Amino acid sequence: GAGVSQSPSNKVTEKGKDVELRCDPISGHTALYWYRQSLGQGLEFLIYFQGNSAPDKSGLPSDRFSAERTGGSVSTLTIQRTQQEDSAVYLCASSSGSRGAEAFFGQGTRLTVV
Amino acid sequence: AQSVTQPDIHITVSEGASLELRCNYSYGATPYLFWYVQSPGQGLQLLLKYFSGDTLVQGIKGFEAEFKRSQSSFNLRKPSVHWSDAAEYFCAVGFNAGNNRKLIWGLGTSLAVNP
Repeated sequence: GAGVSQSPSNKVTEKGKDVELRCDPISGHTALYWYRQSLGQGLEFLIYFQGNSAPDKSGLPSDRFSAERTGGSVSTLTIQRTQQEDSAVYLCASSSGSRGAEAFFGQGTRLTVV
Repeated sequence: AQSVTQPDIHITVSEGASLELRCNYSYGATPYLFWYVQSPGQGLQLLLKYFSGDTLVQGIKGFEAEFKRSQSSFNLRKPSVHWSDAAEYFCAVGFNAGNNRKLIWGLGTSLAVNP
C-alpha cells in the first residue's frame, strides 16, 4: 500500500479481555516499530522489528504485551487481560531499515478499556 | 545511555512571532536527526531530517533546523509562526552504531499559537 495501515482505528474493550492490533507496513520496509502514546504524552517505545533479527522487546511494559511479525510484513500487537491503564493510542511505523531511514507512521489505533 | 531531551514541554507564541524548539541528544558520535509534527487528530509527519553535510537543513512548512555538534543539539526554527502550526513536535534520533537502527524519541513539545 501507499502508507502504513493500522486496524482497527478505534477499539473499545472490556477490562480483562484480549485485543489484537494490526499493522500493515509500507511494502518492502524491513523495520517496524510499535509505540504507545497516552493522552498528552510522548511516544513510548514498545517493540522494534528489523528484518530477520530478533526483535527488540525492551519497551514492552509487561508480559501481557506481545507482538509478532509474520513473513517480515504484517505485525500484530496483542494485549492480554487488558487493564484500564492500557488505554492509549497505539502507533505503528515502518522504515526501509537503512541507516538514517525515516519512519513512516500509521494513523494509530485508539484503544479504550472500560 | 543514548537519550533525547526536549526541554520545553509546552510553548505558546503569538502568530507571526519566531519560534525555536529545542532538542538535545546524548550519544558518542553523530546521529541521524529528525523532527516530526503531530497535528490534532493527525498522524506523525516528517518535517525535516539531517544525515550529514550542511548543518542547516530546510524542511516542509517553512521550518528549518540546525545541527550543532558542540552542543549536541538539533533545534527547530521557524521565522514566522502561523496558527496552523499549533501541534505537537517530536525530535527523534537514529544512532548509526552496529546493527541497532532504532529511533529514540523525545517526549515532545506542545506548541500553542495565539492569534
